[in-house]
Amino acid sequence: DAGVIQSPRHEVTEMGQEVTLRCKPISGHDYLFWYRQTMMRGLELLIYFNNNVPIDDSGMPEDRFSAKMPNASFSTLKIQPSEPRDSAVYFCASSFARVTGNTIYFGEGSWLTVV
Amino acid sequence: AQSVTQLDSQVPVFEEAPVELRCNYSSSVSVYLFWYVQYPNQGLQLLLKYLSGSTLVKGINGFEAEFNKSQTSFHLRKPSVHISDTAEYFCAVRLNYGGSQGNLIFGKGTKLSVKP
Repeated sequence: DAGVIQSPRHEVTEMGQEVTLRCKPISGHDYLFWYRQTMMRGLELLIYFNNNVPIDDSGMPEDRFSAKMPNASFSTLKIQPSEPRDSAVYFCASSFARVTGNTIYFGEGSWLTVV
Repeated sequence: AQSVTQLDSQVPVFEEAPVELRCNYSSSVSVYLFWYVQYPNQGLQLLLKYLSGSTLVKGINGFEAEFNKSQTSFHLRKPSVHISDTAEYFCAVRLNYGGSQGNLIFGKGTKLSVKP
C-alpha cells in the first residue's frame, strides 16, 4: 500500500511568490494533518481534517496560509505571499479513525526554502 | 492543556552501549503514547505505541518503551545501539476521546548520536 505522498519534495521560491504543497493521504484514511517542522519551534500542527472537513485550524500562522481538502484523496496547503520565515519542512499525515488510537502516518515532507 | 517534555535534546552514546531517551507528558485526560524516529532528511516513522494493556511495549529495530502512569512517563530504551540508530526521536501523545481522534502533540525531539 502506498504511503502518504507529498509534492513537491523540495521547493525554492522567492519571497512574495505563491507556494502550493500537495498531499495524497493513504487510501481509506479519514483524518488528514498538516504539520510544520522548524529548528526553532519543532513539530507543530497547522490544521487537520476529518472526512474532508477542517476540524482545527488554530495552528495556521496567519491569513497567508490556507488549506483545502476537496476530496478524500487530495489536500493542498497554500502560502500566499510567501516569506523567508515560512522556510520549513511541511509534513502531511493521515490516519484511520475506526481503530482507536490508530497510528498517524507521515509523508516524506516538502522542504520549502523562501529566499 | 496537554504537553510533552523530552528531557534531553541530545544524547551521545557509543556503539553497542544501552540508551534511554526520556519522555514525560502532562494531560488531564487519558492519552495514547507514541515514539517516532526521523532519519536525516526523511519523514517520521513510527517506532512503537502504547494504547492500553501491558505497560512494556516493543517496537521496531529493537526499541522498547515503558508506560508509567504514576510518573506520567514513557521512556524509550534500547539495550545495544548501532550506528544506524543515529536519528532524531520524537515522543508524542494523542488524546483518547473514546472514539474520536485528536492530533499528535510532539515533544521537541532528542537527537541520538551513536559513535563508533
